Amino acid sequence: KNQVEQSPQSLIILEGKNCTLQCNYTVSPFSNLRWYKQDTGRGPVSLTIMTFSENTKSNGRYTATLDADTKQSSLHITASQLSDSASYICVVISGNNRLAFGKGNQVVVIP
Amino acid sequence: NAGVTQTPKFRVLKTGQSMTLLCAQDMNHEYMYWYRQDPGMGLRLIHYSVGEGTTAKGEVPDGYNVSRLKKQNFLLGLESAAPSQTSVYFCASSSGTKHTEAFFGQGTRLTVV
Repeated sequence: KNQVEQSPQSLIILEGKNCTLQCNYTVSPFSNLRWYKQDTGRGPVSLTIMTFSENTKSNGRYTATLDADTKQSSLHITASQLSDSASYICVVISGNNRLAFGKGNQVVVIP
Repeated sequence: NAGVTQTPKFRVLKTGQSMTLLCAQDMNHEYMYWYRQDPGMGLRLIHYSVGEGTTAKGEVPDGYNVSRLKKQNFLLGLESAAPSQTSVYFCASSSGTKHTEAFFGQGTRLTVV
């Protein structure tokens, strides 16, 4: 069973609208959680990092939340743009520096 | 500011052929990783290295070998390629310190026919 589960698997949103991506994990011990953006044909690029004590962190129009008690994270995209079309990957780093990857949320923004 | 560079970007192999994928990083990172990414599977760890001269198996190591002779380079070898190894391969590196970020290369698309 995958230690990092993401939902929804894919979604289509209209340009300018908001969306929220979910990540549930079972990784233990927990060190930190990252959201990566992967454009088609490119390598993943880090958007934000969440440590155990952080609840919310923003990077431009991206806002990540973390609830370490329930082991859930979300990534909210505000006022989506066509360039937001990508796969968003939740990565949980364990205490021994191992990375556990979700399968990604595929987002398609249409005009 | 190259970051993580993978060579080659694309390759087509015949079953049974061998090849080596090269990953180079210029950030003086201790940790380096090789992943494969398949549709619907997410990234899966093949092998990794926590420092020059050391390597370790990841989640899916069978059919692959690696070497880390120099700190900046991490090589992934396929001795006898199989169609099941058709995939996109990503190299990543990190400093290994707490809360460190992993930086990824652009990927190598390998097709085995």
